[in-house]
Amino acid sequence: ETGVTQSPTHLIKTRGQQVTLRCSSQSGHNTVSWYQQALGQGPQFIFQYYREEENGRGNFPPRFSGLQFPNYSSELNVNALELDDSALYLCASSFPPGQGRNTEAFFGQGTRLTVV
Amino acid sequence: AQSVTQPDIHITVSEGASLELRCNYSYGATPYLFWYVQSPGQGLQLLLKYFSGDTLVQGIKGFEAEFKRSQSSFNLRKPSVHWSDAAEYFCAVGTRVSWGKLQFGAGTQVVVTP
Repeated sequence: ETGVTQSPTHLIKTRGQQVTLRCSSQSGHNTVSWYQQALGQGPQFIFQYYREEENGRGNFPPRFSGLQFPNYSSELNVNALELDDSALYLCASSFPPGQGRNTEAFFGQGTRLTVV
Repeated sequence: AQSVTQPDIHITVSEGASLELRCNYSYGATPYLFWYVQSPGQGLQLLLKYFSGDTLVQGIKGFEAEFKRSQSSFNLRKPSVHWSDAAEYFCAVGTRVSWGKLQFGAGTQVVVTP
């Protein structure tokens, strides 16, 4: 079990609503990445936060946004939910390379979002 | 275009038999390569990773993988599978520059029969 925790574990929302998902990174990790995993597919990179700044983004529309806080925890916000947003949302924390530390990404258990 | 391909969607293997899962990648930069395992309803657990050096990498749970640059492959192997190895396995690729922004394959579902 990793030290990455996500909340909530399950969530049901209605199309058009907004949702906030939360991630607490493993102790000391200053980088958080978010992924969307649709049913039967591999995870797709949404974006990454490093030291509270967005550090790269995948092919997701602007209604997917995020934050990282001084304690390195992070939020993923999705506005105007669509049915296709139904997925498992995974958060991963790590150190960046070049700091002489293990750069392995540790994943949380995910938040299962269902949009109806 | 960058891509990660896992050619086998589903593999069934008998307990005690050997297992090999294939992964091919297409990447412009020197790749960082990973294998993750996901049990139903769970997050991803790292089995092993390759950044550089020895091309045969040992991981947890008795898994190993071999990086073959000439074939753009990073296949995962286990000599003798256990029933607890039934899960979905994902190959992922990153780079030194985009190290935390992993690109995953579609996954291979492994079923273990008695």
